Amino acid sequence: DTGVSQNPRHKITKRGQNVTFRCDPISEHNRLYWYRQTLGQGPEFLTYFQNEAQLEKSRLLSDRFSAERPKGSFSTLEIQRTEQGDSAMYLCASSSQGFVEAFFGQGTRLTVV
Amino acid sequence: GIQVEQSPPDLILQEGANSTLRCNFSDSVNNLQWFHQNPWGQLINLFYIPSGTKQNGRLSATTVATERYSLLYISSSQTTDSGVYFCAVEWRYGNNRLAFGKGNQVVVIP
Repeated sequence: DTGVSQNPRHKITKRGQNVTFRCDPISEHNRLYWYRQTLGQGPEFLTYFQNEAQLEKSRLLSDRFSAERPKGSFSTLEIQRTEQGDSAMYLCASSSQGFVEAFFGQGTRLTVV
Repeated sequence: GIQVEQSPPDLILQEGANSTLRCNFSDSVNNLQWFHQNPWGQLINLFYIPSGTKQNGRLSATTVATERYSLLYISSSQTTDSGVYFCAVEWRYGNNRLAFGKGNQVVVIP
């Protein structure tokens, strides 16, 4: 297993368009997290799955954001009607259940023009 | 929630120098990790260290959970050590997430 994989690595989109990102976690990990990082800040939590169940969502996750993990494996994060403020690095992480180490993917850098 | 503060925010080192980065957190934690963010944005795991001391090559880390802080030591720094170092904690009383500090920006000059 090569670790957490995210696609695409970079995405440039026009304001108002929809975008979708994909995350493939480490295969034996049942927990999957999405974070967002803006310039000069640490990553901020967006949402968290345990298997296919989305257990928690941050207030940062507006109605324009939706995340899925349909079979408890890969996950997608969709942003509808993108705004310039959505420009950020979107990071995915996975971990085993319990208080253990989390591993991050390479991230998807979104630029909304 | 839990607050995480890292210091110093910025550090410039001469190659070969040693340094210490500090992470303070405001409440009890179950998990503490140190990461190095590479120039392409990926977070590289350095240590999983909710308590105690660990060493990995020129890097070592110590967490004193009862006093709510962790230290990351970089010895004999190299230019490849440049980047942003993040401390992240999982709050003991819920959330099931990592809360990050703002990072330590380290620049190692030859």
